[in-house]
Amino acid sequence: NAGVTQTPKFQVLKTGQSMTLQCAQDMNHNSMYWYRQDPGMGLRLIYYSASEGTTDKGEVPNGYNVSRLNKREFSLRLESAAPSQTSVYFCASEGKSPLHFGNGTRLTVT
Amino acid sequence: GESVGLHLPTLSVQEGDNSIINCAYSNSASDYFIWYKQESGKGPQFIIDIRSNMDKRQGQRVTVLLNKTVKHLSLQIAATQPGDSAVYFCAETAGGSYIPTFGRGTSLIVHP
Repeated sequence: NAGVTQTPKFQVLKTGQSMTLQCAQDMNHNSMYWYRQDPGMGLRLIYYSASEGTTDKGEVPNGYNVSRLNKREFSLRLESAAPSQTSVYFCASEGKSPLHFGNGTRLTVT
Repeated sequence: GESVGLHLPTLSVQEGDNSIINCAYSNSASDYFIWYKQESGKGPQFIIDIRSNMDKRQGQRVTVLLNKTVKHLSLQIAATQPGDSAVYFCAETAGGSYIPTFGRGTSLIVHP
């Protein structure tokens, strides 16, 4: 039972490049989340999906898009990366509280 | 908006001591509270939770105390071990929302 799996673990982008962060969970959870974590800022919600086929904005959605591909997978896309998006990104899923997190993607935008 | 915060960003203790990590929240509608532990290079991991109809809940070596009067939450770790070194986050949900709001985190450093 892998839980929540995120790929890639590390990524370096140049300003303006695009990429998609992948997340998959094998716990049959309905809800999935994308957070970013910056030093001293805790975890901030970017987007979430309460169920397959639905997505909603969180606290900091600007510059990101998401796709809930199916019940297992929830991807986060940066269409035109900016240095302000340098962060560690965490995906999480939830069946009944609490959240289960992946181990993160460390993204650097130069 | 209302938020969850922490009093101390860093806590250093000796191995074997008891540790207390504090968290203040401002949303009076908060009804579910969670503590997470985040080790270096990993995602946050659930430790213990408590609902607002309780004042105290105990797990293995951990206890969470909730004081709704002053909107304060604490995590007590008994006989702290080097493996407890991590960042600890409190989080809360309110009003039927299932989406937690996280505090900034406290770094716990355990010295052997």
